[in-house]
Amino acid sequence: AQKITQTQPGMFVQEKEAVTLDCTYDTSDPSYGLFWYKQPSSGEMIFLIYQGSYDQQNATEGRYSLNFQKARKSANLVISASQLGDSAMYFCAMRDQGAQKLVFGQGTRLTINP
Amino acid sequence: NAGVTQTPKFQVLKTGQSMTLQCAQDMNHEYMSWYRQDPGMGLRLIHYSVGAGITDQGEVPNGYNVSRSTTEDFPLRLLSAAPSQTSVYFCASRKARALSYNSPLHFGNGTRLTVT
Repeated sequence: AQKITQTQPGMFVQEKEAVTLDCTYDTSDPSYGLFWYKQPSSGEMIFLIYQGSYDQQNATEGRYSLNFQKARKSANLVISASQLGDSAMYFCAMRDQGAQKLVFGQGTRLTINP
Repeated sequence: NAGVTQTPKFQVLKTGQSMTLQCAQDMNHEYMSWYRQDPGMGLRLIHYSVGAGITDQGEVPNGYNVSRSTTEDFPLRLLSAAPSQTSVYFCASRKARALSYNSPLHFGNGTRLTVT
C-alpha cells in the first residue's frame, strides 16, 4: 500500500533563506510518481513539481527543486530564496503504476517571516 | 481556459438535506475524482472515474454518490447530509494515459460545506 509521511507540521523561515520540506514514502511498486502541491490561504491546490521513479536527475521548476533519494525513499522539496508569498500549506503526494488514487501526506505549514 | 470548475464555493446544509456539488473540466481529461480535506487528515479520495460511464469508490465513499454521463462533468451527491460531512471538497482531473503515474492532478478551487 502507498503511504506518504510528512513529519514537519509547521516550519518558520526567514525571507530569502532556502527551505527544505521533508517527505518520505512507501510503496512496493517500482513505477511511481511523486508530486508536490502548494495550498495558500485562499484554498486552491497548486501543482508545483513532479518526480518519476525512473528519472535519473532531480526535478527542478524555477525556485523549486526536488531532492529525490530513491534508496531512502525520500522526496524532499527545496525552495530557494524564499519569498513571503511562499507562506502556505505544502503537500507531498504519490501515485504508483498500479493505483488510481493520488495519496497525500498530512502537509507542512510553511511560514515565511520578513 | 477554465480548467476545473466547482460550484458552489460555499454551502450550508441542515442534517438530512441532500445536495449536489458540481464539477466540470474543459481539458478533455479522462480521469476525474472527488477528495475531501479535513484538518490533520490531508486529502482523502471519495470517488473517481476513469471515463464516461465508469465510476469507482475511493477511501471514504459512504454517504456520497457520483455519476459520469459525459467526459466533462462529474457531480458529487450527498444523499442525506450529516455533520461528519462538514469539510472542504475538491474535484480534480488528469489525463489517464498508460503511464498514468506521471500525470499531475489539476484541482478545482474547492467547495466549503458546513452541515449543521
